[in-house]
Amino acid sequence: KNEVEQSPQNLTAQEGEFITINCSYSVGISALHWLQQHPGGGIVSLFMLSSGKKKHGRLIATINIQEKHSSLHITASHPRDSAVYICAVGSNFGNEKLTFGTGTRLTIIP
Amino acid sequence: DSGVTQTPKHLITATGQRVTLRCSPRSGDLSVYWYQQSLDQGLQFLIQYYNGEERAKGNILERFSAQQFPDLHSELNLSSLELGDSALYFCASSASGHSYNEQFFGPGTRLTVL
Repeated sequence: KNEVEQSPQNLTAQEGEFITINCSYSVGISALHWLQQHPGGGIVSLFMLSSGKKKHGRLIATINIQEKHSSLHITASHPRDSAVYICAVGSNFGNEKLTFGTGTRLTIIP
Repeated sequence: DSGVTQTPKHLITATGQRVTLRCSPRSGDLSVYWYQQSLDQGLQFLIQYYNGEERAKGNILERFSAQQFPDLHSELNLSSLELGDSALYFCASSASGHSYNEQFFGPGTRLTVL
């Protein structure tokens, strides 16, 4: 079992729909990161969370430390949101590496 | 623009060859990370440097090596290249190098080994 699991692997939705991407992890973490990878390959950091909830524009990220689970929500989705969304966790054991999920490929249809 | 630069953007080479990938971190960031993204493996952490010293090591092959120089730029050296080394190689930087710091990613170097 991977340390970081994402679901769904692929998601296709109509423009305007509310999107939820899930991330579950099995290790103790210092922080959880949500990344966006555009079709051209570039990676952008969206959020870094260690507790609670963060919001940036139409994007919302939440984390439940007890349940070892995080969600990324996109409200009023738009075709430009089409990308791969990657969850990554930072270990709390003093090793500073990030462990990545396999990503969720999101396609928003106009 | 993240402020992290990587050169070259694309690299095509043959098996058995050696290549060097270069990364310049954001101004003020002391830590540099190297990641490999292949089609079948997703993103994998290779190695991290902080202020010139190796801080963490991931799934980096013995054929690969890296260093961070006094001006904080970093180089990833890949030798005895194999077809399976074809991948996107990303560099990222962060301020202090802790896993709870935001990381800023470079545009990546696409390596093709023929």
